[in-house]
Amino acid sequence: QSALTQPHSVSGSPGQSVTISCTGTSSDVGGYDHVSWYQQHPGKVPKLVIYNVSQRPSGVPDRFSGSKSANTASLTISGLQAEDEADYYCCSFVGGYTYVFGTGTKVTVL
Amino acid sequence: QITLKESGPTLVKPTQTLTLTCTFSGFSLDTSGVGVGWVRQPPGKALEWVALFYWDEDQRYSPSLKTRLTITKDTYKNQVVLTMTNMDPVDTATYYCVRRRDDSFGYWGQGTQVTVSS
Repeated sequence: QSALTQPHSVSGSPGQSVTISCTGTSSDVGGYDHVSWYQQHPGKVPKLVIYNVSQRPSGVPDRFSGSKSANTASLTISGLQAEDEADYYCCSFVGGYTYVFGTGTKVTVL
Repeated sequence: QITLKESGPTLVKPTQTLTLTCTFSGFSLDTSGVGVGWVRQPPGKALEWVALFYWDEDQRYSPSLKTRLTITKDTYKNQVVLTMTNMDPVDTATYYCVRRRDDSFGYWGQGTQVTVSS
């Protein structure tokens, strides 16, 4: 299975919205509603921010939202804040109880 | 409180076998839907899913690494052990222990850095 495709980087000014795409195939993203997203600050442990396409774990701000259309999932950060500057990774269930991560996206707050 | 902690060697030689142990607490691996496994991240690169041990004793592996991996559990010690054979410098990475539930990884260990070098 190949890594899911994400843009290398996205950027936005404080208060703006940014959207990160995560493109796979009908065998992963398109085949299941089991896409999750992880935020990773430099030198830190990844943190789950979205699971099952659009569900937010307790404690994650509602500025983070997820969606999916066909083979592409998306993470939107609304009202961008300086603390949102980090790397973001998507992950999809692939079937056969295996998983695949995305290539990662660096979010820069201008 | 759910915690996971990785342990193992920080340096292995090429062709050697790596053994990593994840010691967890605050939950049971016997609970339906739960899995414990590994995700790795080479320096400056993306996350890569490696393996999972499921509540029902099922074991799943990354297709690209499958022939080199074995994942087992020790119920009494609340541990999951990953062995990876024939280590290569490209396997140099931080290895994270993770808990799987709801098809996501909500809990992570602090990670353990493994360097493969002669």
